[in-house]
Amino acid sequence: AQRVTQPEKLLSVFKGAPVELKCNYSYSGSPELFWYVQYSRQRLQLLLRHISRESIKGFTADLNKGETSFHLKKPFAQEEDSAMYYCALLPGNTGKLIFGQGTTLQVKP
Amino acid sequence: DADVTQTPRNRITKTGKRIMLECSQTKGHDRMYWYRQDPGLGLQLIYYSFDVKDINKGEISDGYSVSRQAQAKFSLSLESAIPNQTALYFCATSDTGEGYTFGSGTRLTVV
Repeated sequence: AQRVTQPEKLLSVFKGAPVELKCNYSYSGSPELFWYVQYSRQRLQLLLRHISRESIKGFTADLNKGETSFHLKKPFAQEEDSAMYYCALLPGNTGKLIFGQGTTLQVKP
Repeated sequence: DADVTQTPRNRITKTGKRIMLECSQTKGHDRMYWYRQDPGLGLQLIYYSFDVKDINKGEISDGYSVSRQAQAKFSLSLESAIPNQTALYFCATSDTGEGYTFGSGTRLTVV
């Protein structure tokens, strides 16, 4: 079964602390993975995708096929990073993104 | 101007009423999607369309219908709204193999 799991509903850290938002996927093929961010009452925005290997707003994510994970990391959290983060899998040629349940990141001052 | 526009932004309707949520895009994408977002459940796919003549059910299509009026327009209808359809609804578009561009969402409350 194709599935994305984000085990943490809420992650709360202090400003300046490192952040790791966990994402595990289940997919037998070669995955395309994305992270989306949703700031309060706004639309979901693409944060990064593993193919591009970019670093956006200081966030990075590395695909680990052995552990079937795509964790999102940032070395020093900022208050403006507080948002809902969704990990998503695009299986093969289906064109349908499969989303995890989302993790709310709360960065405290 | 937003690439993907949803109307209305907010709507309160009564149980049993028919309601239509509209989505239009200027991205020129063939693929369009409707999702609903519920706390703790993430985003669930309701319907999707890969071109004007293609309509497909998603995970939770019961109680919903869609219409793809043109490449740029994809509407979601609730034929007879019920309270558990209270949610935030998102429209999205994509190009082949790419991530999605989302609309701002429609907050629907069924009372």
